[in-house]
Amino acid sequence: AQTVTQSQPEMSVQEAETVTLSCTYDTSESDYYLFWYKQPPSRQMILVIRQEAYKQQNATENRFSVNFQKAAKSFSLKISDSQLGDAAMYFCALSGGYQKVTFGIGTKLQVIP
Amino acid sequence: GAVVSQHPSRVICKSGTSVKIECRSLDFQATTMFWYRQFPKQSLMLMATSNEGSKATYEQGVEKDKFLINHASLTLSTLTVTSAHPEDSSFYICSAADRGIRNEQFFGPGTRLTVL
Repeated sequence: AQTVTQSQPEMSVQEAETVTLSCTYDTSESDYYLFWYKQPPSRQMILVIRQEAYKQQNATENRFSVNFQKAAKSFSLKISDSQLGDAAMYFCALSGGYQKVTFGIGTKLQVIP
Repeated sequence: GAVVSQHPSRVICKSGTSVKIECRSLDFQATTMFWYRQFPKQSLMLMATSNEGSKATYEQGVEKDKFLINHASLTLSTLTVTSAHPEDSSFYICSAADRGIRNEQFFGPGTRLTVL
């Protein structure tokens, strides 16, 4: 079984500032993938960033980066230079060998102008 | 990028009727599609995994006779909610896995089902 835990139901950040969303996970798989998805009010799920567990280097996508700590089973998302459009629900997700994805309960991010 | 569509985007039906939701991968072939259900302010809960040409695999607690899934081609999967009841009202999301991009799923825009 695999689990994903997001302990921050809500977070807020000032526009242009940096915010970090936390995520921990557990899996028995040796090969797995981690994701952060964004769900804006439209409810369309949008992939923000992905990390292959076998890669030590942290993934980055423009203003989004992760801190992947494999031993600690931690996968946090850092959003730099926050923009109003970043306001959304953010889901941490884990995919094991059969592509089955387990989602965390989500963190609602508010961006304050 | 890979695009997944869902139809309809919104449906209202009477209790006791059946509703079919279509999920299509528009520009890639999806050997596997997934159906999720999302209640307000909650996360996505996997209902079933649909493989082209074979029976769907349902998650524990999901009634396979109530939620019929068909994956007849590499670009189309359908979810039929049979004899719908108000408690089936929810947001249903499908996703499709591109066999060329391991472990990445592409999500449809979702279908809001309201059962009166």
